[in-house]
Amino acid sequence: AQSVTQPDIHITVSEGASLELRCNYSYGATPYLFWYVQSPGQGLQLLLKYFSGDTLVQGIKGFEAEFKRSQSSFNLRKPSVHWSDAAEYFCAVGALGNQFYFGTGTSLTVIP
Amino acid sequence: GAVVSQHPSWVICKSGTSVKIECRSLDFQATTMFWYRQFPKQSLMLMATSNEGSKATYEQGVEKDKFLINHASLTLSTLTVTSAHPEDSSFYICSAEGREGVYEQYFGPGTRLTVT
Repeated sequence: AQSVTQPDIHITVSEGASLELRCNYSYGATPYLFWYVQSPGQGLQLLLKYFSGDTLVQGIKGFEAEFKRSQSSFNLRKPSVHWSDAAEYFCAVGALGNQFYFGTGTSLTVIP
Repeated sequence: GAVVSQHPSWVICKSGTSVKIECRSLDFQATTMFWYRQFPKQSLMLMATSNEGSKATYEQGVEKDKFLINHASLTLSTLTVTSAHPEDSSFYICSAEGREGVYEQYFGPGTRLTVT
């Protein structure tokens, strides 16, 4: 069955510290993987996506993610967090013509 | 880049009335659109998949007679919540998939529905 797991419901980091948000997936075929960010009351903004090729992908706002097939993981990282990064982060997996499966989200709090 | 709009962004209605939410792909044609529902502090759950010119495919547990979906053109899909009740209050988000197979779902900004 297709599923996405984000083990961390809530993470708190200090501004300037590094960040890693975990994502594990289960998918029957080669997945397309995505990370989205959602601010309160807002829609989803795509941070980055992985289709194929280089397993380290760069996204917007200084985020990057690494696809590890052996671990079925697609963790999101940022070397130095800014206060404006506080939001809800969703990992998603999908394929052409099919629905996206979303993780339950990780809420990020940034301490000044 | 591809843009998806939703209208209205926020709506309040009385219990028993119907509400229509529009989802438009502004600069591309979308063969397939998806409707999601998000409860506060929860993830997005797919309600239905909408294909242009055909009936929508609903996920298990979603009442098709209550949530009417129409995908009349390659740029417009509508979700009508019929006889709305307070438990239908939620954040509804649509997404559209590019017709040319460029694989990404472009998400609309969402519609906040409050039923009083």
